Amino acid sequence: GAGVSQSPSNKVTEKGKDVELRCDPISGHTALYWYRQSLGQGLEFLIYFQGNSAPDKSGLPSDRFSAERTGGSVSTLTIQRTQQEDSAVYLCASNNRGSEQYFGPGTRLTVT
Amino acid sequence: GEDVEQSLFLSVREGDSSVINCTYTDSSSTYLYWYKQEPGAGLQLLTYIFSNMDMKQDQRLTVLLNKKDKHLSLRIADTQTGDSAIYFCAESSGGGATNKLIFGTGTLLAVQP
Repeated sequence: GAGVSQSPSNKVTEKGKDVELRCDPISGHTALYWYRQSLGQGLEFLIYFQGNSAPDKSGLPSDRFSAERTGGSVSTLTIQRTQQEDSAVYLCASNNRGSEQYFGPGTRLTVT
Repeated sequence: GEDVEQSLFLSVREGDSSVINCTYTDSSSTYLYWYKQEPGAGLQLLTYIFSNMDMKQDQRLTVLLNKKDKHLSLRIADTQTGDSAIYFCAESSGGGATNKLIFGTGTLLAVQP
């Protein structure tokens, strides 16, 4: 597609449920990033995939968070047993080496 | 650890210049960036500067980098109401252009007509 797309655009879930957020990067981009934007924490890095290398998971806030990238393209961020503090906008970005990161519109997650 | 700081709010009158400041801590950052986020919209890259440069100008935007003091600024000339947004500075962690971005807290720019 023309840009990074994310789905769903909005997600409301009950505390304790699992959620999956999807990111479709720009075709051909080798790197994919997940960030989180929340009122209390600002914009935080979560995880980074680069080609076939092991992902950089250093930003994941707890073991309830995981992400995978299948076939070097689409990525899914999974949050298990959601908590209210997980409420945030989850942003995905992609790029190739040496180019800017292009951001998707984000998924707004609300945990009630 | 890595930390990027900005002032939270700036108010200017239309036609004036705006200067948004940022301090960062990772001296190995290769690139430093300015992003714009309008209400309900995604992050848009405005401009970036390579760490061996002192200044970069792009139309109404001027970026100044003081590497010694780890200080970055964005000047917007002839500020317009359409420039009202949140502005984030960011550094690329690890010294590579493709590495994760560490963002500042964001500065809300309000342009008064």
